[in-house]
Amino acid sequence: ETGVTQTPRHLVMGMTNKKSLKCEQHLGHNAMYWYKQSAKKPLELMFVYNFKEQTENNSVPSRFSPECPNSSHLFLHLHTLQPEDSALYLCASSQTTGGSEAFFGQGTRLTVV
Amino acid sequence: AQSVTQLGSHVSVSEGALVLLRCNYSSSVPPYLFWYVQYPNQGLQLLLKYTSAATLVKGINGFEAEFKKSETSFHLTKPSAHMSDAAEYFCAVSDSGEFGNEKLTFGTGTRLTIIP
Repeated sequence: ETGVTQTPRHLVMGMTNKKSLKCEQHLGHNAMYWYKQSAKKPLELMFVYNFKEQTENNSVPSRFSPECPNSSHLFLHLHTLQPEDSALYLCASSQTTGGSEAFFGQGTRLTVV
Repeated sequence: AQSVTQLGSHVSVSEGALVLLRCNYSSSVPPYLFWYVQYPNQGLQLLLKYTSAATLVKGINGFEAEFKKSETSFHLTKPSAHMSDAAEYFCAVSDSGEFGNEKLTFGTGTRLTIIP
């Protein structure tokens, strides 16, 4: 399998649930990202990992907890979410070279009920 | 901080007509600029990118964009629209991070509708 793969594609969870989103890239990249895409809003960068180390957290609430065990895998652990957290969550990866484009997964459509 | 502005959240063109999607950027340094396309229920796919090699950049599916520094613009064009071009298009500017990775800042997107 090639590219960036996200699972699950769709997730419905209650506000008291705990769930995780998974992202895997088969491109040999060293940087991975989580983005949030909400209706009527620009894509929001949430987290950046370089060589497994978190290098950016854009003031994301602690109910979102990222994990990057290696350069190919990225998780987003979710707990006690709010309905306003419903969105499309996109994972991306890139080389750590200026001008390198980011490759995106197909996203996880999350609905919090 | 870098930013992009996409003029027009919705654009409709007839099949076979010229497509023009506008993007203006704000950057304190020479930027890297990107256009991405998103089809329904899909992730973002790169159409083309500008990295200072040439001001006219050709991408996939017949799209191209011209970098104009004097106008701080990077508009996306296609001479003849096809029904399959219906999608949402995002302009992005890159702030190459401390570690060299791309921190993309996206515009709000333009939804392109093709009229048969």
